[in-house]
Amino acid sequence: GNSVTQMEGPVTLSEEAFLTINCTYTATGYPSLFWYVQYPGEGLQLLLKATKADDKGSNKGFEATYRKETTSFHLEKGSVQVSDSAVYFCALRNQGGKLIFGQGTELSVKP
Amino acid sequence: DAGVIQSPRHEVTEMGQEVTLRCKPISGHDYLFWYRQTMMRGLELLIYFNNNVPIDDSGMPEDRFSAKMPNASFSTLKIQPSEPRDSAVYFCASSLGKAEGYTFGSGTRLTVV
Repeated sequence: GNSVTQMEGPVTLSEEAFLTINCTYTATGYPSLFWYVQYPGEGLQLLLKATKADDKGSNKGFEATYRKETTSFHLEKGSVQVSDSAVYFCALRNQGGKLIFGQGTELSVKP
Repeated sequence: DAGVIQSPRHEVTEMGQEVTLRCKPISGHDYLFWYRQTMMRGLELLIYFNNNVPIDDSGMPEDRFSAKMPNASFSTLKIQPSEPRDSAVYFCASSLGKAEGYTFGSGTRLTVV
């Protein structure tokens, strides 16, 4: 079946540190991959996406590359800010159209 | 574009009462999804529609939950009777096509006392 596994949180970093949140997936076929962000008290917002192998999604300084050989879609940012504190969800969309989420990783950035 | 609109934002009700949550998807989107989020269980897909037709309702917890989409611009999720364990944030989301990401609403925070 289809599933997404993320590294467990919470992740605590100092401002300007480098961020990596690991995400691996299991899927049949060729899913689209996504990262969503949820700020406190809000809904989920699409952060970036990649629809085929070797695609790199990027937005607001965040990047993730669709790696078919390792079935991974790790989220990275070179220099985090306090305002990046949120919960990050990795997700895949299967061929039936359903979006399957990982469990979420809480990021806390300290000044 | 007003995004996905959910109402109410907050709902407090007594156990046994009927609760109706409402969602207006983005105009032109052909998929609509209802999710529930709790600390214990994370994000759970309850049901989704394609072109107003329910496609997969396997996530609906039990018969107390029902969802309808009478037209392309409106959907409801009803809980009758409500129970304290239904307390959660309920999100509606919509998308255009199968490959794109969803746009989520701001959610309805339901508290059943």
